[in-house]
Amino acid sequence: AQSVTQPDIHITVSEGASLELRCNYSYGATPYLFWYVQSPGQGLQLLLKYFSGDTLVQGIKGFEAEFKRSQSSFNLRKPSVHWSDAAEYFCAVGSYGGSQGNLIFGKGTKLSVKP
Amino acid sequence: GAGVSQSPSNKVTEKGKDVELRCDPISGHTALYWYRQSLGQGLEFLIYFQGNSAPDKSGLPSDRFSAERTGGSVSTLTIQRTQQEDSAVYLCASSRRGGGIDTQYFGPGTRLTVL
Repeated sequence: AQSVTQPDIHITVSEGASLELRCNYSYGATPYLFWYVQSPGQGLQLLLKYFSGDTLVQGIKGFEAEFKRSQSSFNLRKPSVHWSDAAEYFCAVGSYGGSQGNLIFGKGTKLSVKP
Repeated sequence: GAGVSQSPSNKVTEKGKDVELRCDPISGHTALYWYRQSLGQGLEFLIYFQGNSAPDKSGLPSDRFSAERTGGSVSTLTIQRTQQEDSAVYLCASSRRGGGIDTQYFGPGTRLTVL
């Protein structure tokens, strides 16, 4: 079955430190992968997406993610975290084929930033 | 331009009542999605509309849930005989073409509380 796993429920990092949020997926075909961010009380905002080509993708707000097919992973990284990055982050895989078109989400990782 | 809008932003209802949640997608987007976000279950897909095709209802949890999309634009999600387990944030998203490879833009959600 298609699934997305985010192993870390909650991560705390210090402001200015680097960040890596883990995401593993299970999908039978070529995956289309997304990272979304949700600030408290807000909807989801797309950070970046991977469809094909270069396995290192750049997104907004200084985030990047690397697709590793051999590890079925799509980890999100940022070299220096800002206090405003505190939010919940969701990895998702796009389901396609036939009548399908929805996103399958991981459970999310909540990021806290220490001053 | 305007993003996805949802109304109401909050809805409190009594168990057994029917509720209607509204979604206005981004103008020109042919695909519309409903998701449910709850503490225990994370983000779950409910239903997907793509143009004039029959909707993908595979995510609806019971026959108390239904949705329609009128004129290829506005959508209404209806929950009949609400139960306490229906309490959640209901998110709507739209995308330009649909399918799992298309970027989905999310609204702010409707928080439903069933007493």
